[in-house]
Amino acid sequence: KNQVEQSPQSLIILEGKNCTLQCNYTVSPFSNLRWYKQDTGRGPVSLTIMTFSENTKSNGRYTATLDADTKQSSLHITASQLSDSASYICVVTRRNTDKLIFGTGTRLQVFP
Amino acid sequence: ETGVTQTPRHLVMGMTNKKSLKCEQHLGHNAMYWYKQSAKKPLELMFVYSLEERVENNSVPSRFSPECPNSSHLFLHLHTLQPEDSALYLCASSQAGGGRVNTEAFFGQGTRLTVV
Repeated sequence: KNQVEQSPQSLIILEGKNCTLQCNYTVSPFSNLRWYKQDTGRGPVSLTIMTFSENTKSNGRYTATLDADTKQSSLHITASQLSDSASYICVVTRRNTDKLIFGTGTRLQVFP
Repeated sequence: ETGVTQTPRHLVMGMTNKKSLKCEQHLGHNAMYWYKQSAKKPLELMFVYSLEERVENNSVPSRFSPECPNSSHLFLHLHTLQPEDSALYLCASSQAGGGRVNTEAFFGQGTRLTVV
Protein backbone atom coordinates (compact mmCIF):
# COMPACT_ATOMS: atom_id res chain seq x y z
CA LYS A 1 0.00 0.00 0.00
CA ASN A 2 1.36 3.44 -0.89
CA GLN A 3 1.69 5.35 2.35
CA VAL A 4 3.66 8.19 3.86
CA GLU A 5 4.16 8.33 7.62
CA GLN A 6 5.68 11.21 9.56
CA SER A 7 7.05 11.56 13.06
CA PRO A 8 6.75 13.08 15.49
CA GLN A 9 3.14 14.15 15.18
CA SER A 10 3.96 17.37 17.03
CA LEU A 11 7.09 19.02 18.37
CA ILE A 12 7.82 21.99 20.60
CA ILE A 13 11.26 23.59 20.64
CA LEU A 14 12.83 26.82 21.85
CA GLU A 15 13.90 29.53 19.45
CA GLY A 16 17.44 29.04 18.22
CA LYS A 17 17.44 25.26 18.66
CA ASN A 18 17.73 22.70 15.89
CA CYS A 19 15.24 19.94 15.15
CA THR A 20 14.77 17.02 12.78
CA LEU A 21 11.51 15.74 11.35
CA GLN A 22 11.16 12.22 9.94
CA CYS A 23 9.30 10.76 6.98
CA ASN A 24 9.01 7.07 6.07
CA TYR A 25 7.26 5.95 2.93
CA THR A 26 6.20 2.77 1.19
CA VAL A 27 5.32 4.41 -2.13
CA SER A 28 6.52 2.43 -5.12
CA PRO A 29 7.75 3.00 -7.73
CA PHE A 30 9.28 6.18 -6.37
CA SER A 31 9.59 9.38 -8.37
CA ASN A 32 10.32 12.21 -5.97
CA LEU A 33 9.79 13.45 -2.44
CA ARG A 34 8.89 16.96 -1.38
CA TRP A 35 8.71 18.73 1.93
CA TYR A 36 6.03 21.37 2.24
CA LYS A 37 5.55 23.99 4.94
CA GLN A 38 1.98 24.90 5.81
CA ASP A 39 1.25 27.87 8.03
CA THR A 40 -2.00 27.72 9.98
CA GLY A 41 -4.99 28.47 7.76
CA ARG A 42 -2.90 28.71 4.60
CA GLY A 43 -1.97 26.44 1.73
CA PRO A 44 1.23 24.35 1.70
CA VAL A 45 4.36 25.87 0.17
CA SER A 46 7.17 23.72 -1.22
CA LEU A 47 10.51 23.78 0.62
CA THR A 48 12.53 21.12 -1.21
CA ILE A 49 12.13 18.42 -3.82
CA MET A 50 14.39 15.39 -4.09
CA THR A 51 14.64 12.70 -6.73
CA PHE A 52 15.95 9.16 -6.41
CA SER A 53 19.58 10.10 -6.99
CA GLU A 54 19.71 12.99 -4.52
CA ASN A 55 20.79 12.43 -0.90
CA THR A 56 20.79 15.95 0.48
CA LYS A 57 19.28 19.27 -0.51
CA SER A 58 19.32 22.55 1.36
CA ASN A 59 17.09 25.59 1.28
CA GLY A 60 18.46 28.18 3.69
CA ARG A 61 18.10 26.80 7.21
CA TYR A 62 16.20 23.76 5.92
CA THR A 63 18.15 20.64 4.92
CA ALA A 64 16.38 17.57 3.58
CA THR A 65 17.95 14.13 3.30
CA LEU A 66 16.77 11.10 1.38
CA ASP A 67 17.72 7.44 1.70
CA ALA A 68 15.94 5.72 -1.18
CA ASP A 69 17.13 2.29 -0.03
CA THR A 70 15.46 2.51 3.38
CA LYS A 71 12.70 4.79 2.05
CA GLN A 72 13.33 7.43 4.66
CA SER A 73 13.67 11.19 4.54
CA SER A 74 14.37 13.81 7.14
CA LEU A 75 14.00 17.57 7.32
CA HIS A 76 16.51 19.33 9.56
CA ILE A 77 15.83 22.88 10.69
CA THR A 78 18.81 24.83 11.95
CA ALA A 79 18.66 27.77 14.39
CA SER A 80 14.88 27.75 14.52
CA GLN A 81 12.89 30.97 14.39
CA LEU A 82 9.40 31.80 15.60
CA SER A 83 8.28 31.93 11.97
CA ASP A 84 9.18 28.25 11.60
CA SER A 85 6.06 27.39 13.60
CA ALA A 86 3.93 25.51 11.08
CA SER A 87 3.02 22.05 9.87
CA TYR A 88 5.62 20.28 7.75
CA ILE A 89 4.23 17.81 5.26
CA CYS A 90 6.14 15.10 3.44
CA VAL A 91 4.75 14.30 -0.01
CA VAL A 92 5.83 11.44 -2.27
CA THR A 93 5.03 11.07 -5.96
CA ARG A 94 4.76 7.71 -7.66
CA ARG A 95 6.76 7.34 -10.85
CA ASN A 96 4.83 7.73 -14.13
CA THR A 97 1.92 9.41 -12.34
CA ASP A 98 1.18 12.90 -11.14
CA LYS A 99 -0.42 11.60 -7.97
CA LEU A 100 0.83 13.14 -4.73
CA ILE A 101 0.68 11.00 -1.61
CA PHE A 102 0.64 13.11 1.52
CA GLY A 103 1.82 12.40 5.04
CA THR A 104 -0.20 13.63 8.00
CA GLY A 105 2.40 16.25 8.81
CA THR A 106 4.41 17.28 11.86
CA ARG A 107 3.12 20.26 13.77
CA LEU A 108 6.14 22.33 14.91
CA GLN A 109 5.83 25.08 17.50
CA VAL A 110 8.79 27.34 18.22
CA PHE A 111 8.62 29.27 21.48
CA PRO A 112 10.76 32.28 22.48
CA GLU B 1 1.79 34.53 -3.14
CA THR B 2 1.87 31.20 -4.98
CA GLY B 3 -0.05 32.31 -8.08
CA VAL B 4 -3.14 30.35 -7.03
CA THR B 5 -5.99 32.40 -5.54
CA GLN B 6 -8.98 30.98 -3.72
CA THR B 7 -12.16 32.75 -2.67
CA PRO B 8 -13.73 33.04 -0.25
CA ARG B 9 -11.15 32.47 2.49
CA HIS B 10 -13.84 31.58 5.00
CA LEU B 11 -17.37 30.27 4.49
CA VAL B 12 -20.11 29.32 6.93
CA MET B 13 -23.14 27.64 5.41
CA GLY B 14 -26.22 25.80 6.53
CA MET B 15 -26.96 22.27 5.45
CA THR B 16 -29.65 23.43 3.03
CA ASN B 17 -27.55 26.16 1.38
CA LYS B 18 -25.89 26.16 -2.02
CA LYS B 19 -22.51 27.84 -2.33
CA SER B 20 -19.49 27.74 -4.61
CA LEU B 21 -15.75 27.87 -4.00
CA LYS B 22 -13.60 29.55 -6.62
CA CYS B 23 -9.99 28.97 -7.60
CA GLU B 24 -7.93 30.87 -10.15
CA GLN B 25 -4.33 30.21 -11.21
CA HIS B 26 -2.04 32.65 -13.00
CA LEU B 27 0.81 30.21 -13.67
CA GLY B 28 -0.16 28.86 -17.08
CA HIS B 29 -0.55 25.36 -15.69
CA ASN B 30 -2.62 22.69 -17.40
CA ALA B 31 -3.88 20.76 -14.36
CA MET B 32 -5.93 21.83 -11.36
CA TYR B 33 -6.89 19.96 -8.22
CA TRP B 34 -9.31 20.12 -5.30
CA TYR B 35 -8.10 18.75 -1.97
CA LYS B 36 -9.87 18.41 1.37
CA GLN B 37 -7.86 18.83 4.56
CA SER B 38 -9.50 17.70 7.79
CA ALA B 39 -7.94 17.96 11.21
CA LYS B 40 -5.15 15.44 11.83
CA LYS B 41 -5.64 13.72 8.46
CA PRO B 42 -3.54 13.83 5.30
CA LEU B 43 -4.73 15.92 2.41
CA GLU B 44 -7.37 14.01 0.49
CA LEU B 45 -7.48 14.41 -3.27
CA MET B 46 -11.04 15.06 -4.44
CA PHE B 47 -10.90 15.98 -8.12
CA VAL B 48 -8.31 16.42 -10.84
CA TYR B 49 -8.77 18.35 -14.05
CA SER B 50 -6.20 18.09 -16.81
CA LEU B 51 -6.64 20.24 -19.90
CA GLU B 52 -10.12 21.11 -18.59
CA GLU B 53 -11.25 17.49 -18.51
CA ARG B 54 -11.97 15.71 -15.27
CA VAL B 55 -9.49 12.87 -15.05
CA GLU B 56 -10.02 11.77 -11.49
CA ASN B 57 -12.89 11.67 -9.06
CA ASN B 58 -11.98 9.96 -5.81
CA SER B 59 -15.37 8.67 -4.73
CA VAL B 60 -16.47 12.11 -3.64
CA PRO B 61 -20.16 12.46 -2.66
CA SER B 62 -22.37 14.06 -5.28
CA ARG B 63 -23.07 17.01 -2.97
CA PHE B 64 -19.66 18.24 -4.21
CA SER B 65 -19.73 19.19 -7.87
CA PRO B 66 -16.62 20.53 -9.62
CA GLU B 67 -16.52 22.72 -12.69
CA CYS B 68 -13.56 23.73 -14.82
CA PRO B 69 -14.63 26.23 -17.50
CA ASN B 70 -11.06 26.88 -18.66
CA SER B 71 -7.50 26.02 -17.65
CA SER B 72 -7.23 28.97 -15.29
CA HIS B 73 -10.43 28.58 -13.29
CA LEU B 74 -11.83 25.85 -11.10
CA PHE B 75 -15.02 25.84 -9.05
CA LEU B 76 -16.41 23.55 -6.39
CA HIS B 77 -20.19 23.77 -6.11
CA LEU B 78 -21.60 22.76 -2.74
CA HIS B 79 -25.15 21.75 -1.85
CA THR B 80 -26.85 20.00 1.06
CA LEU B 81 -23.56 19.51 2.88
CA GLN B 82 -23.16 17.75 6.22
CA PRO B 83 -21.35 19.00 9.32
CA GLU B 84 -18.58 16.44 8.70
CA ASP B 85 -17.80 18.25 5.45
CA SER B 86 -16.37 21.12 7.49
CA ALA B 87 -12.70 21.35 6.54
CA LEU B 88 -10.07 23.38 4.73
CA TYR B 89 -10.55 23.03 0.98
CA LEU B 90 -7.39 23.57 -1.00
CA CYS B 91 -7.00 24.19 -4.69
CA ALA B 92 -3.72 23.43 -6.44
CA SER B 93 -2.32 23.64 -9.95
CA SER B 94 0.62 22.07 -11.74
CA GLN B 95 2.08 21.51 -15.18
CA ALA B 96 1.26 17.84 -15.34
CA GLY B 97 1.97 15.04 -17.74
CA GLY B 98 4.79 14.39 -20.18
CA GLY B 99 6.74 12.33 -17.70
CA ARG B 100 7.93 15.36 -15.81
CA VAL B 101 9.86 14.38 -12.69
CA ASN B 102 10.02 17.62 -10.78
CA THR B 103 6.46 18.81 -11.29
CA GLU B 104 5.48 20.91 -8.31
CA ALA B 105 1.95 21.54 -7.15
CA PHE B 106 1.26 25.13 -6.14
CA PHE B 107 -1.47 25.54 -3.58
CA GLY B 108 -3.91 28.32 -2.90
CA GLN B 109 -4.54 29.68 0.59
CA GLY B 110 -7.59 27.49 1.02
CA THR B 111 -11.21 28.08 1.98
CA ARG B 112 -12.09 27.29 5.58
CA LEU B 113 -15.59 25.82 5.33
CA THR B 114 -17.89 25.38 8.31
CA VAL B 115 -21.20 23.60 7.85
CA VAL B 116 -23.75 24.32 10.57
